[in-house]
Amino acid sequence: GQQLNQSPQSMFIQEGEDVSMNCTSSSIFNTWLWYKQEPGEGPVLLIALYKAGELTSNGRLTAQFGITRKDSFLNISASIPSDVGIYFCAGREGDAGGTSYGKLTFGQGTILTVHP
Amino acid sequence: NAGVTQTPKFQVLKTGQSMTLQCAQDMNHNSMYWYRQDPGMGLRLIYYSASEGTTDKGEVPNGYNVSRLNKREFSLRLESAAPSQTSVYFCASRRSGGDYNEQFFGPGTRLTVL
Repeated sequence: GQQLNQSPQSMFIQEGEDVSMNCTSSSIFNTWLWYKQEPGEGPVLLIALYKAGELTSNGRLTAQFGITRKDSFLNISASIPSDVGIYFCAGREGDAGGTSYGKLTFGQGTILTVHP
Repeated sequence: NAGVTQTPKFQVLKTGQSMTLQCAQDMNHNSMYWYRQDPGMGLRLIYYSASEGTTDKGEVPNGYNVSRLNKREFSLRLESAAPSQTSVYFCASRRSGGDYNEQFFGPGTRLTVL
């Protein structure tokens, strides 16, 4: 089945640094979602993107839906210790609508460690 | 609203035992999903239910069965557990209407099969 390539696999950064991660796919997606998962918890939705070229912010987080519809990136500015966790991209294949019943494909995750 | 709830939070089984993982949502969502999460593999879809009364296989359905008991509840059953089913299991639901694709996750069930 479809796979998403998420990179990097892990990041070790200092508090205050900016972070960038991305996901690419081999086919067109109509939705890109970014989730954060903390230890022992379920993924929590951070940002949802529905249009090619869309740029959306949520506090210090900014995500973009790539123009080609095959990629997305997430930036975190001025990282803080509580940003630690695993960040997942997820996407829904195809054009808008369709009958995939909202099935998502997930990336492998980026493990973020922030040193104070 | 509690969102998506899952029970139990932890479970240890012996090979061959059976168990049912419970999931409920109070957001009036039509669609519900079961995923498993293994290290380095992201989340993989086991089964989903597009609406009450319907269920379909996902990417990794072998060894599992599901029941959509009503709109709120979607259970996952392991009839004869195997060590390969050691994983963290997440239930999710998706808001209804339009073309929304955002899924909301429960806290997970951590299952170990010995």
